[in-house]
Amino acid sequence: EPEVTQTPSHQVTQMGQEVILRCVPISNHLYFYWYRQILGQKVEFLVSFYNNEISEKSEIFDDQFSVERPDGSNFTLKIRSTKLEDSAMYFCASHPGATNEKLFFGSGTQLSVL
Amino acid sequence: AQSVAQPEDQVNVAEGNPLTVKCTYSVSGNPYLFWYVQYPNRGLQFLLKYITGDNLVKGSYGFEAEFNKSQTSFHLKKPSALVSDSALYFCAVRDTNGNNRLAFGKGNQVVVIP
Repeated sequence: EPEVTQTPSHQVTQMGQEVILRCVPISNHLYFYWYRQILGQKVEFLVSFYNNEISEKSEIFDDQFSVERPDGSNFTLKIRSTKLEDSAMYFCASHPGATNEKLFFGSGTQLSVL
Repeated sequence: AQSVAQPEDQVNVAEGNPLTVKCTYSVSGNPYLFWYVQYPNRGLQFLLKYITGDNLVKGSYGFEAEFNKSQTSFHLKKPSALVSDSALYFCAVRDTNGNNRLAFGKGNQVVVIP
């Protein structure tokens, strides 16, 4: 089965630094997502992206966050100035189109902000 | 906004015994319901979904789930658990009223004891 790939698997950064988390969704998929899970808590929706623009974002996705699909294959999440509370597992996901379809998830990037 | 509750943190079951992982949901419209499983160091993998039709849905690896509208539940079941079923299980719901986001529960760790 095709896979969503995420890099790096682990990222350690200092508070205030910028980080970019990278994802390569499945090639014929049209909808892209970022979710995160803080240790011991729910998987939380951050943002969805379709047709080269954000289609929906949560209250977590403030001005410190941005997403980009720079080259038609990569899908990135940037955090401009990381905070301690940004430490979490970040998951990228994609699906082909209809809202009743399953999401395909990457294996995640564990972000640790020190 | 849609939400999911998975009331138990961990479910322990002996190998060969029935396995049940509980999930209740809240939506304003009709739900699309999903179960995902996560093995160590892997992304979330789709198990099954309920969109419409039969309340009993069968999915991968012998799992099934029953949609109960009156109880707003979508419990995951397997008649005979295997040690290899030990993993983290997530219930998720999408509200058919407009938005495309999935709301996840916090997950249940299933431990199947040999």
